[in-house]
This record gives sequence, structure tokens and C-alpha cells, in this order.
Amino acid sequence: EAQVTQNPRYLITVTGKKLTVTCSQNMNHEYMSWYRQDPGLGLRQIYYSMNVEVTDKGDVPEGYKVSRKEKRNFPLILESPSPNQTSLYFCASSGQGWFNSPLHFGNGTRLTVT
Amino acid sequence: SQELEQSPQSLIVQEGKNLTINCTSSKTLYGLYWYKQKYGEGLIFLMMLQKGGEEKSHEKITAKLDEKKQQSSLHITASQPSHAGIYLCGAVLNSGGYQKVTFGTGTKLQVIP
Repeated sequence: EAQVTQNPRYLITVTGKKLTVTCSQNMNHEYMSWYRQDPGLGLRQIYYSMNVEVTDKGDVPEGYKVSRKEKRNFPLILESPSPNQTSLYFCASSGQGWFNSPLHFGNGTRLTVT
Repeated sequence: SQELEQSPQSLIVQEGKNLTINCTSSKTLYGLYWYKQKYGEGLIFLMMLQKGGEEKSHEKITAKLDEKKQQSSLHITASQPSHAGIYLCGAVLNSGGYQKVTFGTGTKLQVIP
């Protein structure tokens, strides 16, 4: 089944403790992206990647890192999480000519930073 | 300000009623997507529109992209409780010389049986 898989679904952590949220897609998509969703602010893009080893900042990149060493994986790294990073996070992917094909989303990771 | 404005922000309708949700951009849209989200869950792709004047339907949901490609509407006919959720429009916009995908803040729909 074609899908985007995020792990974990839920994560509670403390301020400053490094964490990684994994994202994997099995559709051979070039484009991958991370979003965070907050009430009243909608979905905001954190980072995106057009292909392997190519990543770029989205609208809210501060406090986050990403890497794209393999086509299928696009982990999101929080080196020193803070409470304002408590949010619902989504990973998404899209095929070549991504503006001509829809984004496929994972099921989300709900992160709480205390 | 939001690059994509959705209206209304929330909507409560009686089962069987029709409803319309709008998505407006101040920039030309290169592609417009509609998604549905159950609270706290992932986004389910509904439809994608690319050409001005384009209209697509899936079951009781119809989406249109206006001729100038700056506004889209999502229309649900004879709403059912299964239509409840958050509807998000996403668009490919030209920003600073490159295309990026951005989303509206969503419209929360409740359908009362």
C-alpha cells in the first residue's frame, strides 16, 4: 500500500532533550516536506526537500533540522525542543512535477514538550 | 496575513443541507488542492484543480477553480454526518520566484443529524 509513515504518533518529552521524528514513503517520491499544525494558524511548512541531499527552509524552520540521505526517508530533528514546539506535525511527499500532483500526508505526530 | 483565506472558519449545518466553502488567494494559483481532515488525524486528498474554470466532482462534493485562478469553492450537496471534519485548501503559489505549497487555516464543518 502506497503510504507515508511517521513515527511516533505521540511523543511527550522535556525541554532540551533531543528527539527525532521519522518519516518514510514507499512511493519513490522526489519531494518531501514537514509541516506543523497549530490552532488558528493552519499548516505551516518547516522544511522541504526536492530530492536526495537537497533541502530548504520553509516558513518556520527555526529550532528544526532535517536530512535527506535516502529518497524514502526524511527525518525531522529537534536538537533542543522547547514548549513552543508543542504541535501536531505532518510529513508529506509528492511525485516529480510536484506542483502537478497532490501531497500525500502521514497520519501525524502529536508532540508535547514540557 | 494568510496567503490563502478560507471562509467560513466554521460551519454547522443540518443533515441534508447544501453548503459551500471558499478559498481565496491574492496571488495566481498554479494548482489548488482540497483536503479533508478528521480532528487530530491525517489529511485525506479530495481533489486537485489546475485550470481556470475547471470543475471536479467526487460523490457529493464538487470543487471549482475560477477563471482568474485566484479563488476556489468546495460545494457539498445533501450533507451527511460523514462529511463532518476540517476542510483545508492548499495551493501552489509563486513566492519569491519559486513555487511553494501553502495551506489555508481550514473550515470546520459540523453536520447535525
